[in-house]
Amino acid sequence: AQTVTQSQPEMSVQEAETVTLSCTYDTSESDYYLFWYKQPPSRQMILVIRQEAYKQQNATENRFSVNFQKAAKSFSLKISDSQLGDAAMYFCAYRRGNNFNKFYFGSGTKLNVKP
Amino acid sequence: DAGVTQSPTHLIKTRGQQVTLRCSPISGHKSVSWYQQVLGQGPQFIFQYYEKEERGRGNFPDRFSARQFPNYSSELNVNALLLGDSALYLCASSLAGQPQETQYFGPGTRLLVL
Repeated sequence: AQTVTQSQPEMSVQEAETVTLSCTYDTSESDYYLFWYKQPPSRQMILVIRQEAYKQQNATENRFSVNFQKAAKSFSLKISDSQLGDAAMYFCAYRRGNNFNKFYFGSGTKLNVKP
Repeated sequence: DAGVTQSPTHLIKTRGQQVTLRCSPISGHKSVSWYQQVLGQGPQFIFQYYEKEERGRGNFPDRFSARQFPNYSSELNVNALLLGDSALYLCASSLAGQPQETQYFGPGTRLLVL
């Protein structure tokens, strides 16, 4: 069974600094997708970044980038130049590549941004 | 364009009752998925529907059921409610339910079972 583990329940970062959120996953599949989602307090969950397992190049989206280590089954999120609006719950998620269904989420990391 | 909408926003039920939650996907999206998010945890997959057919089911009891209508909106039904069913129920839509697609989440329905 696929599992996603986020070992950091809560983290804090100073505004304008860089923070890295960790995620590991367990799978026997070779074709899959990994995601980071952001859930601000009382607001809708939105996609931050996506990584295809077949791509060696790490995905980047503006201030957000990932460090995808396929052999180690690790998928960390780096947020550069942290902003107050980055404060939220961050969820790592896994989805198999060969069928429609089953999206597996980690337990989340609460990110606090200090002014 | 409107995003994913869900109704009601909040709901209070008692044990043993039945509840129906509704979801309208983004216009043009044909796939809808349902998730349960218990306080302090990540969302857990319940169902995925595409073109009115169930494409996937998570590890939930048969008390949970869903359907998708010709207009691609969806309902999630939970029978014989238990205290442990108290959670935020999220709906997400995507174009065709493909694994690489972005899922767009609704604001959720917060269900409290007393």
